Amino acid sequence: QQQVKQSPQSLIVQKGGISIINCAYENTAFDYFPWYQQFPGKGPALLIAIRPDVSEKKEGRFTISFNKSAKQFSLHIMDSQPGDSATYFCAASMGDYKLSFGAGTTVTVRA
Amino acid sequence: GAGVSQTPSNKVTEKGKYVELRCDPISGHTALYWYRQSLGQGPEFLIYFQGTGAADDSGLPNDRFFAVRPEGSVSTLKIQRTERGDSAVYLCASSSLGGVEETQYFGPGTRLLVL
Repeated sequence: QQQVKQSPQSLIVQKGGISIINCAYENTAFDYFPWYQQFPGKGPALLIAIRPDVSEKKEGRFTISFNKSAKQFSLHIMDSQPGDSATYFCAASMGDYKLSFGAGTTVTVRA
Repeated sequence: GAGVSQTPSNKVTEKGKYVELRCDPISGHTALYWYRQSLGQGPEFLIYFQGTGAADDSGLPNDRFFAVRPEGSVSTLKIQRTERGDSAVYLCASSSLGGVEETQYFGPGTRLLVL
């Protein structure tokens, strides 16, 4: 049973466009929400993370928006570049080490 | 080392055979994690080591799966009597202390194919 639901499964965006990936959860005990980026043949790498007491966090071109009441959070990739083409996973944990991952979104940025 | 390394990178075996997958964490990291990633899915937690001991093995699917970390560094995931459903990428990660919100650094994974 997947505790974090992620959509869309895949998306294609033009270079310079905005990529948006959405995640939803049910367990209100989750209190840490990281996003991971995975390139083919590589392991996931932490991209950016947020706690539920913050509604938005920005690092460079990557922004997490968090809606605690709706139990949803999203990743926005601004000015998408071909090098951003990868699979992105949202995840959640309950104040411990055990990460529950979404199913992933494959992002393709067309030049 | 520069990062988490895993060997072999690929493993093909026959149903019923025994396999061992190795993980070398980042030097000095006391926390080590194993995850399993099936095709088209996100990683699923298997087991967490703090030093030499398995602090949480709640994600191991059944008793055919076992992992060790005898000296608190290298870990081996062992799968007995492999089944076709065990085919997946097995990911290892490590973190400094295993605390909340610590970054987990993942290795490239071992792709296991059970024929």
